Amino acid sequence: KAGVTQTPRYLIKTRGQQVTLSCSPISGHRSVSWYQQTPGQGLQFLFEYFSETQRNKGNFPGRFSGRQFSNSRSEMNVSTLELGDSALYLCASSLRGDYTDTQYFGPGTRLTVL
Amino acid sequence: AQSVSQHNHHVILSEAASLELGCNYSYGGTVNLFWYVQYPGQHLQLLLKYFSGDPLVKGIKGFEAEFIKSKFSFNLRKPSVQWSDTAEYFCAVNEGLRGSTLGRLYFGRGTQLTVWP
Repeated sequence: KAGVTQTPRYLIKTRGQQVTLSCSPISGHRSVSWYQQTPGQGLQFLFEYFSETQRNKGNFPGRFSGRQFSNSRSEMNVSTLELGDSALYLCASSLRGDYTDTQYFGPGTRLTVL
Repeated sequence: AQSVSQHNHHVILSEAASLELGCNYSYGGTVNLFWYVQYPGQHLQLLLKYFSGDPLVKGIKGFEAEFIKSKFSFNLRKPSVQWSDTAEYFCAVNEGLRGSTLGRLYFGRGTQLTVWP
């Protein structure tokens, strides 16, 4: 079974631009969670989607948004990029996203904001 | 909000040495606990998890962890490390039975393990 895939793997943007990252979950998984990983803050939860609905959101500004499609693929968008948005963005999928599920992580998208 | 503490930022060991990485969490209710590993250049992989039952959990590659509820701890152990265990290790927690935290893991800051051959 194929794992979680994320595209693109690397991105370079400049301040003020916007970016869209994509995540394809493991086949059959309906929950997709997004995390931001930085050296300073570690791994921080952004949001979680299940059946095209956002069920949970972390403490990030409204510039960070996401969505999930009917095939469970998910995208996250960051508008008006800031230097501090440079990070590794990780996507994780699980069957249902409930507390007994294991989250399986993708390789991440490395975003650099100049 | 839940917080997860990993006591050691960087651990350096020689091959065959024993390993114990500490993890403490703050939430007093039902929790589910995980250890993930990130090998150089690879994505996060699950080492082991605890949901209920026997507090001593065995994972892949000879790792095990013990859940001690009274100490809010979930320490990772391995009796004899190998060079190939060099990686970053993350402890993670979710707050079981709380719908508001569906799909959300709280992570520790990670411990970088370096094993010298």
